[in-house]
Amino acid sequence: EAQVTQNPRYLITVTGKKLTVTCSQNMNHEYMSWYRQDPGLGLRQIYYSMNVEVTDKGDVPEGYKVSRKEKRNFPLILESPSPNQTSLYFCASRRVLSYEQYFGPGTRLTVT
Amino acid sequence: AQSVTQPDIHITVSEGASLELRCNYSYGATPYLFWYVQSPGQGLQLLLKYFSGDTLVQGIKGFEAEFKRSQSSFNLRKPSVHWSDAAEYFCAVAGNYGGATNKLIFGTGTLLAVQP
Repeated sequence: EAQVTQNPRYLITVTGKKLTVTCSQNMNHEYMSWYRQDPGLGLRQIYYSMNVEVTDKGDVPEGYKVSRKEKRNFPLILESPSPNQTSLYFCASRRVLSYEQYFGPGTRLTVT
Repeated sequence: AQSVTQPDIHITVSEGASLELRCNYSYGATPYLFWYVQSPGQGLQLLLKYFSGDTLVQGIKGFEAEFKRSQSSFNLRKPSVHWSDAAEYFCAVAGNYGGATNKLIFGTGTLLAVQP
């Protein structure tokens, strides 16, 4: 089954404790991206990657890092999480020349 | 700047009633338009998309949407709402923004509640 998976689905952590949210897709998509969803703001792009070792900032990259060492994986790293990063996070993937994205199930992060 | 506006934050309809969710976009070129649905605790599921051709597009779960270039709108409709349609709905436009190819810009969402 074609899918985008994220782990963990739920995470509660404390300010400053480094964390990684994993994202993996099995569709051989070149393009992957991370979004955060906040009430009243919709989905905003954090980072995206056009292919292995090619990443770029989205609209709200501050406080986040990403890496793309393998085509299928695109982890999101919060090196020093803060409460304003409490949000629902989605990973997505697509063919680089396609407009249609496939989304993961989401990761709900709470930073206290 | 490119943007998507969903003017209705929250809508309540009765089960069996018709539904229309509004979406307006701002984009200089031909837009590629999408509607996604997010059920409680779930990820985003694509309902339908418009790339070109017939301006009335059919999607899954009995939804349809009509692209109106003159009004810069892409409203989502359903003739008879079911209780399972209660969810949050996002309109999105894809285009080339700031050097990024085929980037998706989302509206802020419309939360649909369905009354028995």
